[in-house]
Amino acid sequence: DVKVTQSSRYLVKRTGEKVFLECVQDMDHENMFWYRQDPGLGLRLIYFSYDVKMKEKGDIPEGYSVSREKKERFSLILESASTNQTSMYLCASSSPGGVDTEAFFGQGTRLTVV
Amino acid sequence: QQQVKQSPQSLIVQKGGISIINCAYENTAFDYFPWYQQFPGKGPALLIAIRPDVSEKKEGRFTISFNKSAKQFSLHIMDSQPGDSATYFCAASKGQGAQKLVFGQGTRLTINP
Repeated sequence: DVKVTQSSRYLVKRTGEKVFLECVQDMDHENMFWYRQDPGLGLRLIYFSYDVKMKEKGDIPEGYSVSREKKERFSLILESASTNQTSMYLCASSSPGGVDTEAFFGQGTRLTVV
Repeated sequence: QQQVKQSPQSLIVQKGGISIINCAYENTAFDYFPWYQQFPGKGPALLIAIRPDVSEKKEGRFTISFNKSAKQFSLHIMDSQPGDSATYFCAASKGQGAQKLVFGQGTRLTINP
């Protein structure tokens, strides 16, 4: 069974803290993504990585950075957490080739910044 | 700006009825249009997807209808069941398959028994 695993289901952090969200996939996928999900806004792409050490900004990268040192692991970093970053964060992976590739999602990390 | 607009935001359908969710897109370069289904506490999972070279795709009770000229596509769930109660997202991307997906706002579907 294919898997994208996010290290935490729930996190509570204080304003100003540096926060790390971890994601691991076991499908040998080249592409990995971080989205945030907010009611009424759907899923919005934060960052995208198409290879180890390669990254590309998504639609809402401000206040975030990412790290991909190994193919299976993609980390999202909140440099200085703020209350407006309270959200559900979803990691996904996909393979780049093929006509109908599928994005596989993790179960999500609900982050609350207080 | 929202490149993919989804409606309605919420939908209640009686068991056995037809559920219809609509999406409209702006970018004519999009060439892959999937629908994702998300249950509470889970990540989204691919339900069905279509490319613009066909106008309809059916998988069991789920059908995507695609109108390229209107830049619209919709999900139809026939004989809706309580187990279909979930949040549905339409999405779009360009290039090969599930690259940088742009998602709609989501529709919370409730099927009443």
